Amino acid sequence: NAGVTQTPKFRVLKTGQSMTLLCAQDMNHEYMYWYRQDPGMGLRLIHYSVGEGTTAKGEVPDGYNVSRLKKQNFLLGLESAAPSQTSVYFCASNQRIDTQYFGPGTRLTVL
Amino acid sequence: DQQVKQNSPSLSVQEGRISILNCDYTNSMFDYFLWYKKYPAEGPTFLISISSIKDKNEDGRFTVFLNKSAKHLSLHIVPSQPGDSAVYFCAARAAGNKLTFGGGTRVLVKP
Repeated sequence: NAGVTQTPKFRVLKTGQSMTLLCAQDMNHEYMYWYRQDPGMGLRLIHYSVGEGTTAKGEVPDGYNVSRLKKQNFLLGLESAAPSQTSVYFCASNQRIDTQYFGPGTRLTVL
Repeated sequence: DQQVKQNSPSLSVQEGRISILNCDYTNSMFDYFLWYKKYPAEGPTFLISISSIKDKNEDGRFTVFLNKSAKHLSLHIVPSQPGDSAVYFCAARAAGNKLTFGGGTRVLVKP
């Protein structure tokens, strides 16, 4: 039981490049979330999903897109990366009102 | 406008003494509060929670206190141990399943 896994762990992009972050969970959770963590800002919700095939905007969705084609996977896409998107990205999942379980994070640097 | 604030970015405490972490919130719709602990290069892990209908919840060395009238909660760690050195995030939940996080408090427990 791996819990929540994230791919990749680290990535360096140039401004304007695109990439996709993959989150996978093996706990059959309905809800999945993408957060970014910046110094002093805590974790801010980017997008979330309440079930397969659904997505919704969080607090800071601009510049990101997401897809939840399979229940166990939640993808976060950056179409045209900007230096302001340099951050640590965390994926989380839970089953409705249960506590959220987090992945280990992806450290992204945009030059 | 941060709805959940942790005004102390860092805290240093001697091993064996009490650590007190504080968190203030502004949204009166929050009905559930959680503390997460985060080690470097790892995702946050759930520590303890409290419902808005309670004013105290205890789990071993960890106790969370909630003062609804003051919109304030605190986490007490007694006794503090070196392994408690981490960043602690306060989080709050309103209707639905989304969490709003504070900026975090870095705790250093000195041997």
